[in-house]
Amino acid sequence: KAGVTQTPRYLIKTRGQQVTLSCSPISGHRSVSWYQQTPGQGLQFLFEYFSETQRNKGNFPGRFSGRQFSNSRSEMNVSTLELGDSALYLCASSADGSSGNTIYFGEGSWLTVV
Amino acid sequence: LAKTTQPISMDSYEGQEVNITCSHNNIATNDYITWYQQFPSQGPRFIIQGYKTKVTNEVASLFIPADRKSSTLSLPRVSLSDTAVYYCLVGAGRTGGFKTIFGAGTRLFVKA
Repeated sequence: KAGVTQTPRYLIKTRGQQVTLSCSPISGHRSVSWYQQTPGQGLQFLFEYFSETQRNKGNFPGRFSGRQFSNSRSEMNVSTLELGDSALYLCASSADGSSGNTIYFGEGSWLTVV
Repeated sequence: LAKTTQPISMDSYEGQEVNITCSHNNIATNDYITWYQQFPSQGPRFIIQGYKTKVTNEVASLFIPADRKSSTLSLPRVSLSDTAVYYCLVGAGRTGGFKTIFGAGTRLFVKA
């Protein structure tokens, strides 16, 4: 079956703009989580959604937000972009986020802020 | 959440077996251990997951001692294409969802 799908794969934005990234989880998966990966900070957890509700949140400013739709698809939004937001944004899905679940990652969305 | 510690980098040669150990001293009772492989500019790819003792699949084996405070990923007969970063993840799934913490990972260099 299809894996986790993220769009767009690459994008360039200007400082101060906002961006929306999209994620379609594996069919049947209801938990979706988002990560930011940069060379300096590694893989950092942003938030997790389950049944359209944010269930867990990492240590990121309020400019980073997300949502999940009834079909489990998810979007994340970054407002007022800063140069430091340039990163690979990864989406991952799992069945329901419980113990023993495996997290499967998408290929990511490369965001460059200029 | 259990913090993980792995070697920063490892070198190997084609055809050799590679063992990467991850320490997770404060692993919780319900935590599973999962290993991922990541190539540049790609998302992490699931390799193997286990809870205790030994798990084997078509690409790797995972050894977990009885105290579960560490785990070892074993890659048999590596090839150049196995050059990547390997991450150990503990306790991703919990009641109430997960809030994952990735370590720095281990950069494996496979030489010809």
